[in-house]
Amino acid sequence: AQKITQTQPGMFVQEKEAVTLDCTYDTSDQSYGLFWYKQPSSGEMIFLIYQGSYDEQNATEGRYSLNFQKARKSANLVISASQLGDSAMYFCAMREGGTSYGKLTFGQGTILTVHP
Amino acid sequence: EPEVTQTPSHQVTQMGQEVILRCVPISNHLYFYWYRQILGQKVEFLVSFYNNEISEKSEIFDDQFSVERPDGSNFTLKIRSTKLEDSAMYFCASLRLGTGAREQYFGPGTRLTVT
Repeated sequence: AQKITQTQPGMFVQEKEAVTLDCTYDTSDQSYGLFWYKQPSSGEMIFLIYQGSYDEQNATEGRYSLNFQKARKSANLVISASQLGDSAMYFCAMREGGTSYGKLTFGQGTILTVHP
Repeated sequence: EPEVTQTPSHQVTQMGQEVILRCVPISNHLYFYWYRQILGQKVEFLVSFYNNEISEKSEIFDDQFSVERPDGSNFTLKIRSTKLEDSAMYFCASLRLGTGAREQYFGPGTRLTVT
């Protein structure tokens, strides 16, 4: 079974609108971390946002927020007020276990295209 | 802001040759990783390294791969005899341990092309 599932291969959004990128995960661990990374066409991996499994509040970082629904095992990324520079591949990732140093397991990614 | 650096940015090699990919992690980080991404596919974990030894490795990280921290700054990935299927983007990442440490910082990647 896939540990991280991103069901949207591609998403389109109009500039200045909000968009939600879906991510579901599968783990039997009680303690884990969820991450979103952005990969522009230049190839680098840019950290966006983190949600710990015990965090009670949904994480927010500027225009990025994470809609964390633990019972449903989903960790969707919401980008508000999309900008042309948001066009990129977005990866959801999970770190299992209670340590901060475990490996990351990535999903297949979603290509986001922002239209002017 | 400190960043992870990787050299070279692009390496072309012939099948069967040895390659060494180099990374300089962020200076106060203690945990190091290699991931790879075959073109168009997801990022996959290869190996993690701490205190001068491998902490965890994936099935991909077979005897053809090795890692080393030859000095206080560099972290290298060696592929002994490259295969066509080793063609991928290789990312180095590092992590600061301690309170509040959470995200791995990724380098810009080395694109390896095996011909």
